[in-house]
This record gives sequence, structure tokens and C-alpha cells, in this order.
Amino acid sequence: EAEVAQSPRYKITEKSQAVAFWCDPISGHATLYWYRQILGQGPELLVQFQDESVVDDSQLPKDRFSAERLKGVDSTLKIQPAELGDSAMYLCASSLGSGTYNEQFFGPGTRLTVL
Amino acid sequence: DAKTTQPTSMDCAEGRAANLPCNHSTISGNEYVYWYRQIHSQGPQYIIHGLKNNETNEMASLIITEDRKSSTLILPHATLRDTAVYYCIVRVSLETSGSRLTFGEGTQLTVNP
Repeated sequence: EAEVAQSPRYKITEKSQAVAFWCDPISGHATLYWYRQILGQGPELLVQFQDESVVDDSQLPKDRFSAERLKGVDSTLKIQPAELGDSAMYLCASSLGSGTYNEQFFGPGTRLTVL
Repeated sequence: DAKTTQPTSMDCAEGRAANLPCNHSTISGNEYVYWYRQIHSQGPQYIIHGLKNNETNEMASLIITEDRKSSTLILPHATLRDTAVYYCIVRVSLETSGSRLTFGEGTQLTVNP
């Protein structure tokens, strides 16, 4: 069964350092999402791509976060510099399209700890 | 955006039906109700969705009231592996890109032996 792949699974970094997360969506899925999940809360959408274009980044802290999906396939989320409050699970999801009927498939996530 | 209200936690005995309620009194006519669940340390998993009619699949049943202001997710024979946080989501439609999922805090369902 096809799955969304993410790496690394765990990342520990010190504040002010740069970190990057990678996501490989299910083959053929045009829409890719990055979510952040703080412990005890539900996931919060950071950015949504349709192919290589950003269609929603209203919740992305653009002063330190960036995301790209250059060829419309895999994607990278970067934080520079990392802050203590960035400690969270970062989840990637993909769907065939962005319409109401398309369920999102989530990866296992990257657990980030900022010291 | 229509908001949802769910109990913080629920318990269920293994083998019994688990009924998880959700209130969404401000839902709009074209908004769907989605259910996802998240097992500890994993990403969320899609369960089911519906608009007006009741829906059933291999995982669960979704019962939506006639006025659409509330719904119930039913796991007919809960197992220990169904222990998870269950999220009820009303899907928001964006003009240009379709729709996004807005998660609340969900219901922690614990299935007991």
C-alpha cells in the first residue's frame, strides 16, 4: 500500500540552528500539505501546495519558515532559526486533488525538539 | 468556518459499540463532516465523511442528524487497536484551492479489555 514518507523521524536541535524536513507524497498526488502538531492539540495547517504552487500559506510563520515543492513531487520544510516554541510534530499529507472529496493521507511525522 | 464540539474523552469496553458525538451547529449547507483518527505517535488516518445521508464503510458508520447540527461516529465492535484521538472536522472550502482540514482537540477514546 502506498504511503507518505517523511524524514527524519526525529530531530533534536539547538535554538537558532536551521532544520529541514523532507516529505515524499504518494505517487500521483497533486496536493501536498504540511501540518504542525503541538503536544495535546490537533494538527494545524502550515502550507498547502497544488503541484509546485503554494495555494495556502496563511498560517506559515514566514519570517523563519519556508517550504518548497520545486518539481511538484517531494517537498522540504525549513525552519531558520529554530526557536524553543517550534518543538512539535511536523506532519506531511497528500491527496489526489484539493476538492472536498479527496481524503488526505498522512505520513508518520517528524518529531522536532528544540533545546 | 463551522466549528465542532467534542467530548474530551470517552471509554468503551472491547467488543461493544463506541458512539462518538460531535456538535457542529453552525455548519453550512455545502460543508461536509469528516472524521479522522490519530493513534499515538502516528499521523491522522481518514475514517469516513458525509454531507446529509448516513454513511457506512468497513471502518465505521456516520449518522448525521436531519438538521445537520450534530453527528455520531459509530465503531460497531471496538477493539483495543481503536484506542486513539478521534477528530470531527467540518471541511472548509477555499475559493482557489478547494478545502483544508481544521482540526480541533478531538476525543480521546480508550477501549478497555
